[in-house]
Amino acid sequence: AQSVTQLGSHVSVSEGALVLLRCNYSSSVPPYLFWYVQYPNQGLQLLLKYTSAATLVKGINGFEAEFKKSETSFHLTKPSAHMSDAAEYFCAVSRAASNTGKLIFGQGTTLQVKP
Amino acid sequence: DTGVSQDPRHKITKRGQNVTFRCDPISEHNRLYWYRQTLGQGPEFLTYFQNEAQLEKSRLLSDRFSAERPKGSFSTLEIQRTEQGDSAMYLCASSLGASSGANVLTFGAGSRLTVL
Repeated sequence: AQSVTQLGSHVSVSEGALVLLRCNYSSSVPPYLFWYVQYPNQGLQLLLKYTSAATLVKGINGFEAEFKKSETSFHLTKPSAHMSDAAEYFCAVSRAASNTGKLIFGQGTTLQVKP
Repeated sequence: DTGVSQDPRHKITKRGQNVTFRCDPISEHNRLYWYRQTLGQGPEFLTYFQNEAQLEKSRLLSDRFSAERPKGSFSTLEIQRTEQGDSAMYLCASSLGASSGANVLTFGAGSRLTVL
């Protein structure tokens, strides 16, 4: 079975500060990993994905994430937070082998950016 | 390409009524997914289609729920005899169904259901 744990349901940073959103996964098979962002009253937008190529993945809006197999982690970072980054962020995992596209999501982390 | 469209965006209904949601995927995408998202939680998988075939259903999809994709294009999700516990955001997503590499899902804005 696969699962995702996002540590911290709420993260608050100051504008310009480092953003770090934590995600740990559990998977008995090689995973694909994703980060999605959700703004109020909108659907989920893909930020970035890991598909077994480079372990450091760069996404949109200056975000990046590093796949660490030994730590079963896929934390999301951004060097400098912007007010527009305030949103809910979801980490998700899928089975690479079956490739159905079925995603298992974490519970989400709400990012607050203070001026 | 107008993305994934869902209709209606909001639905308020009384307990016991039936509701139907529609999803129009990106036109060239052959896979279509339904997820449910309750307040403060991540989306949970309900079911998915490849073309018109429904390939997988979650145990969350009780007998009161039925999804169809009759011509392999748009899909409908019907909930019969709604209960207050059905109140949630119902998200639709589509993908190309790539044979290799990750299937990247594009999500719609969702249909929010409130059952009174």
